[in-house]
Amino acid sequence: GNSVTQMEGPVTLSEEAFLTINCTYTATGYPSLFWYVQYPGEGLQLLLKATKADDKGSNKGFEATYRKETTSFHLEKGSVQVSDSAVYFCALSSNAGNNRKLIWGLGTSLAVNP
Amino acid sequence: DAGVIQSPRHEVTEMGQEVTLRCKPISGHDYLFWYRQTMMRGLELLIYFNNNVPIDDSGMPEDRFSAKMPNASFSTLKIQPSEPRDSAVYFCASSAKGYGYTFGSGTRLTVV
Repeated sequence: GNSVTQMEGPVTLSEEAFLTINCTYTATGYPSLFWYVQYPGEGLQLLLKATKADDKGSNKGFEATYRKETTSFHLEKGSVQVSDSAVYFCALSSNAGNNRKLIWGLGTSLAVNP
Repeated sequence: DAGVIQSPRHEVTEMGQEVTLRCKPISGHDYLFWYRQTMMRGLELLIYFNNNVPIDDSGMPEDRFSAKMPNASFSTLKIQPSEPRDSAVYFCASSAKGYGYTFGSGTRLTVV
């Protein structure tokens, strides 16, 4: 079946450090891939997405490239800020038929220190 | 658009009481999802609807949980009777054609 694996947290960085959060997936066909972010006390927000191989999703300085050959969708940011402290979730949508369930990773907590 | 609206934001109830959580999806969205989030189990999909029809309720933990979507602009998740282990944050999310969910702010349920 379909699955998503994220690197375990927590991840602790200093402000302006480079961020990578790894995400790999297992899926049949051509899934869509997503990164969501959850700030403390809030619901999840869509951060970026990619719907086909080699697509790059980007938003708020974050980027992720859909790599079919390595089945990966790693999240990166060149210079993190304290305000980026949150939990980040990688997710997959199989796009098969009427199935619209997102398959979620377990989330990676990021803490950015000033 | 006001986004996905959930009510109440916080609910504290005694064990054995009935709890009803409410959700108003974004207008025009045809998919609605109910999730539960806890530290122990993470994010769990409970049930989702397409055009007001339940498509997959395999995540509903037991018969104490029920969900309805009487029309395109309203859904409820009911727990009867509630138990302390039901304490969690319950999220509703909606989507157009199932791509890219928009989540509500959640209902934090505490059963004492």
